[in-house]
Amino acid sequence: DAKTTQPTSMDCAEGRAANLPCNHSTISGNEYVYWYRQIHSQGPQYIIHGLKNNETNEMASLIITEDRKSSTLILPHATLRDTAVYYCIAGGSNYKLTFGKGTLLTVNP
Amino acid sequence: GAGVSQSPSNKVTEKGKDVELRCDPISGHTALYWYRQSLGQGLEFLIYFQGNSAPDKSGLPSDRFSAERTGGSVSTLTIQRTQQEDSAVYLCASSAQGPQVDYGYTFGSGTRLTVV
Repeated sequence: DAKTTQPTSMDCAEGRAANLPCNHSTISGNEYVYWYRQIHSQGPQYIIHGLKNNETNEMASLIITEDRKSSTLILPHATLRDTAVYYCIAGGSNYKLTFGKGTLLTVNP
Repeated sequence: GAGVSQSPSNKVTEKGKDVELRCDPISGHTALYWYRQSLGQGLEFLIYFQGNSAPDKSGLPSDRFSAERTGGSVSTLTIQRTQQEDSAVYLCASSAQGPQVDYGYTFGSGTRLTVV
């Protein structure tokens, strides 16, 4: 898997959009960008993934730059329950995902 | 079941004893993964099963660790002669599509292992 760089922590006000950045400048052409999150004391939860195009589902949107060297996960209306560690992973072509330290997102009331 | 089930949820064992951790994946999921997460750390890959293929054991930290998957469903992770550094949360995940992970992993809630 390609190396990813994420901020250690971020804060967001409840009801506002949370924009979580991720750099993956060494990503190869067949590697996807995946986002997972881990709420305290739970197993990680799949959020979204993409290859080249922007993606949206009921949880979030994923914006991938044209050169694919970075991406942003967008939670459009953050709630207190979105407080979690968010993992950006670039890889998966060999079925094995490598999780880094992620970004601790704290949503404040 | 509706999700990945792991048992026990908590296990306290004495140093030197053997432990078995169980994972029940989502029915029909052909891929099964074990990870562990030490306190304040990221997830560390341990082992991967895909259908009837030989498992990828490249992440197992020592020969005290082993895992099997019977009948392509339930998996058991065994740690022999446990050490204090084995204390961690052991997470199991399953996936409908192994090689491309297109549909994402579904994780269980984990087994918290404490070696005293």
